[in-house]
Amino acid sequence: DGGITQSPKYLFRKEGQNVTLSCEQNLNHDAMYWYRQDPGQGLRLIYYSQIVNDFQKGDIAEGYSVSREKKESFPLTVTSAQKNPTAFYLCASSGRGPHNEQFFGPGTRLTVL
Amino acid sequence: GENVEQHPSTLSVQEGDSAVIKCTYSDSASNYFPWYKQELGKRPQLIIDIRSNVGEKKDQRIAVTLNKTAKHFSLHITETQPEDSAVYFCAASSGLNYGGSQGNLIFGKGTKLSVKP
Repeated sequence: DGGITQSPKYLFRKEGQNVTLSCEQNLNHDAMYWYRQDPGQGLRLIYYSQIVNDFQKGDIAEGYSVSREKKESFPLTVTSAQKNPTAFYLCASSGRGPHNEQFFGPGTRLTVL
Repeated sequence: GENVEQHPSTLSVQEGDSAVIKCTYSDSASNYFPWYKQELGKRPQLIIDIRSNVGEKKDQRIAVTLNKTAKHFSLHITETQPEDSAVYFCAASSGLNYGGSQGNLIFGKGTKLSVKP
């Protein structure tokens, strides 16, 4: 189902805790992305990585961190500095080049208690 | 940077009618315009895309038109069916300078389409 997976599907966090969302792809894609989806807000880019060991901030990077140590993996950490972390998080990947389709994972719904 | 506006935010049609969703973009350098469909609780999936060297593209009941001069593009769904009910997102990117941010997709806020049987 697309070759890109995210875990867990649902995640609950207490205020003040850091949590890490997993994203793995077996599509041999160079580029990977993290989006945040809120009702009525569309998809907003948090971080992206176009190649291993390199990543860049997106439009709403504050309070988030990422790593890209392997081509297949692009984990996202939601830190305690993120003021409103409750949201649906989507990971995506695409091949190298400017007009390649982005394939999305199934998403992780994070709720802060 | 690029800004994408999408209208309407909600759209309700009767089964068999046509549905049209419109998007405008601000960056004249944008040259790639995909449309994604997201069913309830599912991941977004690409349904059609268009590049700036063409004005229209069609795939069965779905078509996309692009007006570069006016900087707007539209999704047309004909003979709508209940399974077309979903949230639709338009997006735009310039594809320039792949090593930078210009190639990233900028998404509209989405249109929730409801097709009533």
